[in-house]
Amino acid sequence: EVQLVESGGGLVQPGRSLKLSCAASGFTFSNYYMAWVRQAPKKGLEWVATISTSGSRTYYPDSVKGRFTISRDNAKSSLYLQMNSLKSEDTATYYCARRELGYWYFDFWGPGTMVTVSS
Amino acid sequence: DIQMTQSPASLSASLGETVTIECRASEDIYSNLAWYQQKPGNSPQLLIYDANSLADGVPSRFSGSGSGTQYSLKINSLQSEDVASYFCQQYNNYYTFGAGTKLELK
Repeated sequence: EVQLVESGGGLVQPGRSLKLSCAASGFTFSNYYMAWVRQAPKKGLEWVATISTSGSRTYYPDSVKGRFTISRDNAKSSLYLQMNSLKSEDTATYYCARRELGYWYFDFWGPGTMVTVSS
Repeated sequence: DIQMTQSPASLSASLGETVTIECRASEDIYSNLAWYQQKPGNSPQLLIYDANSLADGVPSRFSGSGSGTQYSLKINSLQSEDVASYFCQQYNNYYTFGAGTKLELK
């Protein structure tokens, strides 16, 4: 059974850092691109970052570029999101999502972890 | 950046009814479009990809169509378990999501 389980969310002050993790199981993790997508409370979805199968290529929207870093450890089947210089507008549920090689949509999502940026 | 305009924002329909949700892209996205269903308290689930291909395990009452900048999701014979929010997503140039449609039972 495919599983993605995010962790590491919580309450953090503006300007501080937080690192999210996503543990994958039930599939060959190294064969998939992975991504983070967030959803502010009662709002829509926003893509945050994507990483290639080997980790050599990463992609970000302008809203987080330079502040967030996506990484992965294929030996541990784990995905990470390092978030620095956090702002109140980064408050959201962060989902880890899977993207099959050669395809561009996200075919499986984790349950998410909530990040609240507030003083 | 490609903008996705989704309508309506909310929709109320009766059991057995057919409902349609629309998404308009700000430029041609060449059918690089997915639809996701998000039930309250849950994460999004893939329904449709490449504008009209049904994802594994998705009931056949769901269908997608469209091309160019105009796309739609149709749900035939609405069931109670279809109560959810629905989002379109373009993946022609990175990713942009529509604002979502909240579907409720009348």
